[in-house]
Amino acid sequence: NAGVTQTPKFRVLKTGQSMTLLCAQDMNHEYMYWYRQDPGMGLRLIHYSVGEGTTAKGEVPDGYNVSRLKKQNFLLGLESAAPSQTSVYFCASSYGRRGGETQYFGPGTRLLVL
Amino acid sequence: GNSVTQMEGPVTLSEEAFLTINCTYTATGYPSLFWYVQYPGEGLQLLLKATKADDKGSNKGFEATYRKETTSFHLEKGSVQVSDSAVYFCALSERALNFGKGTSLLVTP
Repeated sequence: NAGVTQTPKFRVLKTGQSMTLLCAQDMNHEYMYWYRQDPGMGLRLIHYSVGEGTTAKGEVPDGYNVSRLKKQNFLLGLESAAPSQTSVYFCASSYGRRGGETQYFGPGTRLLVL
Repeated sequence: GNSVTQMEGPVTLSEEAFLTINCTYTATGYPSLFWYVQYPGEGLQLLLKATKADDKGSNKGFEATYRKETTSFHLEKGSVQVSDSAVYFCALSERALNFGKGTSLLVTP
């Protein structure tokens, strides 16, 4: 039982390049989330998914797209990377989304955009 | 809207000192409250939670009580260890999980 895994762990991009971050969970959770963590800002929700084939915008969705083609995977895409997207990205999953549900986090992807 | 405010860090303590990290919240309804911990180089993991007023969450010697009257969920530990050095996040959940900005704790031998 690996929990939540993320690939890659670290990536350097040039401005304008694209990339996809992969999140996988083996807990059969319905809900999955993408957050970004910036110094002094806590974690901010980018996009989330309430089930296979569904996605929704979070607090800071601009410049990102997501897809949930399989229940266990949640992909975060950057079509044209910008230096403002330099951050640490965390994926999380939960069984449901009622208040009180614990979210389980991956180890993070550190992205540097030059 | 919902929000969480937690004390600014960094907090530096000597081993075996008493720890308090303050957390207050603003919510329109009846949220659940959480403390997550992030050890260096890792993702967040749940430390403890409370789902209704007056509930006390506890884990690994840490405690926090859901105080509706003061809208607070302060984290406490009676005797910290070097291994407790980490960043601690207070969070609330109604529909979405709202995090505070985090408090960095450094415990020195």
